[in-house]
Amino acid sequence: NAGVTQTPKFQVLKTGQSMTLQCAQDMNHEYMSWYRQDPGMGLRLIHYSVGAGITDQGEVPNGYNVSRSTTEDFPLRLLSAAPSQTSVYFCASSTLPDSYEQYFGPGTRLTVT
Amino acid sequence: SQKIEQNSEALNIQEGKTATLTCNYTNYSPAYLQWYRQDPGRGPVFLLLIRENEKEKRKERLKVTFDTTLKQSLFHITASQPADSATYLCALKGGYQKVTFGTGTKLQVIP
Repeated sequence: NAGVTQTPKFQVLKTGQSMTLQCAQDMNHEYMSWYRQDPGMGLRLIHYSVGAGITDQGEVPNGYNVSRSTTEDFPLRLLSAAPSQTSVYFCASSTLPDSYEQYFGPGTRLTVT
Repeated sequence: SQKIEQNSEALNIQEGKTATLTCNYTNYSPAYLQWYRQDPGRGPVFLLLIRENEKEKRKERLKVTFDTTLKQSLFHITASQPADSATYLCALKGGYQKVTFGTGTKLQVIP
């Protein structure tokens, strides 16, 4: 099993550009989520999904969109990148709801200039 | 407002000693609390989960305690090794709220 994979590992964007961060898992987990991690702050939940076709907002959803068309994939879209979105982004999945024992991907380091 | 506090200062201990990390919280009625390990440049890795009705949980050299009266969890690593050096995150889940992570404590085990 590859577990949770994320691409790209690094990305530099200019303000106003859009992009999609990819996340995939091969563990048949229903629950998936996106977090951002900034220095001095804990992981903050952006969006999550409890199954294919179902998504909901987390703590910091503004500027991000998600969709879940399959159990395996949960892409995160930045609509119009801003410097405040410079961060490390982690995707996670869990076999159970409510973020029980999450498996995290390796992260994407995003810089917006 | 809800708050999770972990000691932001790094914890340095000698190899072979027991490392104790603290997670304090306010304004939560947690259903469970989790501990994760994070190495530089990597995603967090789940270690242990303890429920609100459990006082203590063990896994190999790891022990977690949960005191809902003090609103505190302690994370112990016995016989610590340099390979235990990492940042340790606590995370709380309460009621209908989503899980919330602390900022983490960096542990350095000195040979």
